[in-house]
Amino acid sequence: QQPVQSPQAVILREGEDAVINCSSSKALYSVHWYRQKHGEAPVFLMILLKGGEQKGHDKISASFNEKKQQSSLYLTASQLSYSGTYFCGTGGSSNTGKLIFGQGTTLQVKP
Amino acid sequence: DGGITQSPKYLFRKEGQNVTLSCEQNLNHDAMYWYRQDPGQGLRLIYYSQIVNDFQKGDIAEGYSVSREKKESFPLTVTSAQKNPTAFYLCASQKRAGGSTDTQYFGPGTRLTVL
Repeated sequence: QQPVQSPQAVILREGEDAVINCSSSKALYSVHWYRQKHGEAPVFLMILLKGGEQKGHDKISASFNEKKQQSSLYLTASQLSYSGTYFCGTGGSSNTGKLIFGQGTTLQVKP
Repeated sequence: DGGITQSPKYLFRKEGQNVTLSCEQNLNHDAMYWYRQDPGQGLRLIYYSQIVNDFQKGDIAEGYSVSREKKESFPLTVTSAQKNPTAFYLCASQKRAGGSTDTQYFGPGTRLTVL
């Protein structure tokens, strides 16, 4: 089942913060976050594994709540370069590397 | 430089034609994947391969075929049986097969348009 991302779209001014959520109806083993610019390939941001681990990358961080089957991506003091569509990909505990991707959240950062 | 290449970048197909999209990686990754992306949509899995000479159907395999004769290559054929093939096609690879804890790295994509 496809994970659900919220919000679907968000518009920010430079320097503002945003949170993107990814929720699944199935038990999760891992959550992968990607950012995609229009017409380009998705670029990997970070992986989170079950256990509530929080990771950070510059001013972008994420958390993973295994019990709630949910992950959140936090963008702090957003920059123009943060604009794009953010996808979460969820992995189960099966012995494949398959991911199921959410429908995406479009983020637009304005000057 | 290591990476994933896809060709062509743009492809136009007439109805009734089969076309093949190329995907090559020099990362020495075991697993490879093909996704389809429609405008405003997420990525849907077409086929994946965890080892040479073996591959499995994804969620939307109908009208597509693949082969994995070499570790570095995973071509996708869009057949005439695929009724609505216009989309952006992405190939990805992953270092190890058999687990969802490794990053999937994506190629630049092929945009297929049916005329």
